[in-house]
Amino acid sequence: IAGITQAPTSQILAAGRRMTLRCTQDMRHNAMYWYRQDLGLGLRLIHYSNTAGTTGKGEVPDGYSVSRANTDDFPLTLASAVPSQTSVYFCASSQEGTGNGYTFGSGTRLTVV
Amino acid sequence: DAKTTQPTSMDCAEGRAANLPCNHSTISGNEYVYWYRQIHSQGPQYIIHGLKNNETNEMASLIITEDRKSSTLILPHATLRDTAVYYCIVRVVDDYKLSFGAGTTVTVRA
Repeated sequence: IAGITQAPTSQILAAGRRMTLRCTQDMRHNAMYWYRQDLGLGLRLIHYSNTAGTTGKGEVPDGYSVSRANTDDFPLTLASAVPSQTSVYFCASSQEGTGNGYTFGSGTRLTVV
Repeated sequence: DAKTTQPTSMDCAEGRAANLPCNHSTISGNEYVYWYRQIHSQGPQYIIHGLKNNETNEMASLIITEDRKSSTLILPHATLRDTAVYYCIVRVVDDYKLSFGAGTTVTVRA
């Protein structure tokens, strides 16, 4: 089934450690996104990429970095994790220019202790 | 993106139609209305979108008023699996910043 694969599903991470959340899509969508979801704050955009080789900052980019070396992969890196980065992270993709909706992954639940 | 207003929560009976309202009084002419839902612990799921005409797909129908200031998402025969948070979003095509509000928590009861 075409879609988005996120890994890991969940992770407990010590503060100060580096962590990369993986996201792969098989739909050849040009645009990809990372959101975090926290209770009471809803979904907030971290970073996005509208095509391979380009990235942009969303609403809450501090402490996160992304890369888009190819169409299919969009990893999110926490260089030095802090407890406030405890959240559920969702990756999404879309084919911009068509007006069609986003496809979201199942999420990564990250706990920073 | 234009701001949307949705009720915080609503209940509906299993097997009945669920009508979810959304106000978007400041919508611009080039902004579409999108609906997503999020079932507990899952990623959001795209449902439907439209510009000014009513739309229907296998999941739902979208009714947009003539002045485009409000819309209604209709789930024709709600099931327990339709219990979720439903988000109404307005956005310009190719605006990468899809902004989710608080949504409507819909509970389908047997």
